Amino acid sequence: AQRVTQPEKLLSVFKGAPVELKCNYSYSGSPELFWYVQYSRQRLQLLLRHISRESIKGFTADLNKGETSFHLKKPFAQEEDSAMYYCALSPAGGTSYGKLTFGQGTILTVHP
Amino acid sequence: DTAVSQTPKYLVTQMGNDKSIKCEQNLGHDTMYWYKQDSKKFLKIMFSYNNKELIINETVPNRFSPKSPDKAHLNLHINSLELGDSAVYFCASSHGDRGGGETQYFGPGTRLLVL
Repeated sequence: AQRVTQPEKLLSVFKGAPVELKCNYSYSGSPELFWYVQYSRQRLQLLLRHISRESIKGFTADLNKGETSFHLKKPFAQEEDSAMYYCALSPAGGTSYGKLTFGQGTILTVHP
Repeated sequence: DTAVSQTPKYLVTQMGNDKSIKCEQNLGHDTMYWYKQDSKKFLKIMFSYNNKELIINETVPNRFSPKSPDKAHLNLHINSLELGDSAVYFCASSHGDRGGGETQYFGPGTRLLVL
C-alpha cells in the first residue's frame, strides 16, 4: 500500500522568509514523487516531480529515500506562492498507469 | 482551447437523484481519471481508464459508474445520490504510459452538493 503524509494542514510565513512544506511517504517499491499546487480559483497543476530534478518558481524538492521524505522548499517565499500544495506518489514502473496517492494537502499563506 | 474540461461546474440536487458529470480532454491522452475531493480537501482517486478500459477502481460504491465512450471522454454517473457524495469531483488525464510517473492534467472540478 502507498501512503503520503503532509503533517501540516496550514503553514503561514512572511514574504521573503524561507518555507518548507513537509511530505513523508510509505511505499515498499520504487516511488515517483510529485508536488501539485492549486492556486485560488485555478485548477490543480503539477509544480514539480522528483525525476526532473528541476526548480520551478524557485521551489525545489529532494527525494530522500532514507527518510522517505520529499519536502518542498523555497528560500524566499512570495505572496503569489499562497496556495494549496499536495504531495503525491505514484509507483514507478509496472502497470500502475499513473495511480496517484495524494497527501492531505498543506495550505500555504504568505503574508506581506 | 481548454485541455481538460468538465461539465457542469456546479451541481445541486436532491438525495436519491441520479446525476452525471462529463469530462473531455483534447490532449490526445490515453488515460483518464476521476478524483474526489472531500470537505477537508482530501483528494482520492476513484477510477482510471486507459483507452476506454477500466484499470483502477478504488473501492467506490456501485452507485458510481464511470463510462468512457472514447478515449477523449470519461463520464461519471452517480445513482441514488447521498449526502456524503457532496464533494468536488476532478477529472484528469495523462499520456498513458504503463509505468506511471506521468504528469496528470486536471479539469476545473465539479462541485456537487446533495441536499
